[in-house]
Amino acid sequence: EDQVTQSPEALRLQEGESSSLNCSYTVSGLRGLFWYRQDPGKGPEFLFTLYSAGEEKEKERLKATLTKKESFLHITAPKPEDSATYLCAVQAGTGNQFYFGTGTSLTVIP
Amino acid sequence: NAGVMQNPRHLVRRRGQEARLRCSPVKGHSHVYWYRQLPEEGLKFMVYLQKENIIDESGMPKERFSAEFPKEGPSILRIQQVVRGDSAAYFCASSPYLQVYNEQFFGPGTRLTVL
Repeated sequence: EDQVTQSPEALRLQEGESSSLNCSYTVSGLRGLFWYRQDPGKGPEFLFTLYSAGEEKEKERLKATLTKKESFLHITAPKPEDSATYLCAVQAGTGNQFYFGTGTSLTVIP
Repeated sequence: NAGVMQNPRHLVRRRGQEARLRCSPVKGHSHVYWYRQLPEEGLKFMVYLQKENIIDESGMPKERFSAEFPKEGPSILRIQQVVRGDSAAYFCASSPYLQVYNEQFFGPGTRLTVL
């Protein structure tokens, strides 16, 4: 069965302390890997789409990378407003489904 | 959240009642996804619809759940005879194309509580 696993489940960082979140996947025929940010009580907010191994995308303090088995979301010098749950999703094969991981809850302490 | 509207934001039902959740996609988007999110769990795909057509309902429970996306008006997720296990956040997302290399835009969700 296709699976998406995110780690760690929770991460606490001091403001300015850079780190990475991991999303590993076991799917056949990856069509796209998506990163979202979700704040409490809100819907996921789109961040990035990655389509092929080696691809990288950046937005402000966030950088997403993709290999054949996993994706990393690097956060550089985080700020308290980066605190949120970060979700990873993949779309694969010929189906229409997006498979979501359970997310990494990031807390950035001032 | 790019203009996806969901209502109500919070819905309380007693066991056995019906719940109707509405989703208005981004203007111009013709495809809608519905997801369910349980506490401490990831988003689970339920159904994918195009206007007047169900494309993929493989994630939807076979009984009590139905979805539609009429030519005019919002998409509706309907849960009949709700049970406590239906309590969850239900999100819809819209996208503009059938070939979904495009990101989905999510609504704020409807939080259903079954008493």
